[in-house]
This record gives sequence, structure tokens and C-alpha cells, in this order.
Amino acid sequence: QKEVEQDPGPLSVPEGAIVSLNCTYSNSAFQYFMWYRQYSRKGPELLMYTYSSGNKEDGRFTAQVDKSSKYISLFIRDSQPSDSATYLCAMSEVYGQNFVFGPGTRLSVLP
Amino acid sequence: NAGVTQTPKFQVLKTGQSMTLQCAQDMNHNSMYWYRQDPGMGLRLIYYSASEGTTDKGEVPNGYNVSRLNKREFSLRLESAAPSQTSVYFCATTGTSYDDYEQYFGPGTRLTVT
Repeated sequence: QKEVEQDPGPLSVPEGAIVSLNCTYSNSAFQYFMWYRQYSRKGPELLMYTYSSGNKEDGRFTAQVDKSSKYISLFIRDSQPSDSATYLCAMSEVYGQNFVFGPGTRLSVLP
Repeated sequence: NAGVTQTPKFQVLKTGQSMTLQCAQDMNHNSMYWYRQDPGMGLRLIYYSASEGTTDKGEVPNGYNVSRLNKREFSLRLESAAPSQTSVYFCATTGTSYDDYEQYFGPGTRLTVT
């Protein structure tokens, strides 16, 4: 079993839809949780960062962490074609070190 | 302010050849990382360097060596390339202050070994 699992996709949704992206993990020591967006042929860029359990909102994006279930989610509201990318979850035990990444979910938002 | 730069962008090697991937950052960060990205596997850590003069193995270090030349530069060397090392390689850095936790990635090097 991989340490971090993620729905592989690809996922196609119409413009304006609400998108839910999810990761599960096995290491209960993870405390720092991140979502990265990666456009084709580019390096990943940080979208959201959450410490421990709870929700965090930034514009159209909401990150949720449920440590009791070892489950994290990223919600995208009013999805846009520019959101089409691969989304990677990442987590670590220690602040700023030893990130473990999920395999990524490819999202296409169709106009 | 270029952030994280990587050279070359593309490379084709024959099995057994060697090469060095270069990474440089101008963000004054202590920590630097080398990852490889393969379809369906996500990003896997090859080596990392918590500070100048130190390096540690990550998840998939076999077949690679690294050098932390100074605070700015972290290179990855393939001594004898194998087809299994065909991948996209990303260098990244991380700040160490509470408000600079993000990993900043370079644009990647696409390597094909034939």
C-alpha cells in the first residue's frame, strides 16, 4: 500500500461545476498538508496549505483535513477551464521537510 | 529573481552514458531537493540537502549521486544511465521560516535514456 493514495482520474467536468479532489494516507504522524497544481510541462506550484485538521478557504478553493479518517480534500467552486491541470496532494511529519506526494489527479474543465 | 533554475531542459542519453543535472536557486533557502516524476507514481524524492555540506537519501536514491556545491547549487549525477531513469526531474527548495514553508519547484528536466 502506498503511503499516500489519490484518485488517479482523469476527471472531466463542465465549466462552473464543483470539483472534489481527495487523498488518503496511512501515516498518522503527518501534520502538514498541501495541495499543488501542476500545469502540463511545468513544475508544481503550491495552492493550499493546512496544518493539522480543519478547513481552509482561499477564493474558490477549500482544503479540508480529517486526521481521524486520514483523509484530505480539495474543493474547487465555479471551476474554470484555467483550472485544468494535475492536482497533487503532499504531506509531511516535520514542518518544511520530507514531503510525501500523492500520484496526482488530472482535471479537465470543459468550456 | 529567477527562483529555481534547472539545466538542461531536455536530454537524450544512451544507456551507460553519464550526465549531471544542474539546479540553482536565488532564494537564500537552506533546503534543496531532487525529485523524479513518472506517470502514475507522482513525485518521488531522490536526494535532499538540509543545508550546505549535507545530503541525505530519499525514497529512490539508487543510480544517482548528488553534490551540494554551495548554498545556491545542488547537482544530480547519473553515473551510468539506464532506461529506467527515463523521467522528468524536478529540483525544489524550501524556506525554513514559519511563513516560508512552501516548496518552490524548478521547471524540470526531461530525460530520455535509450
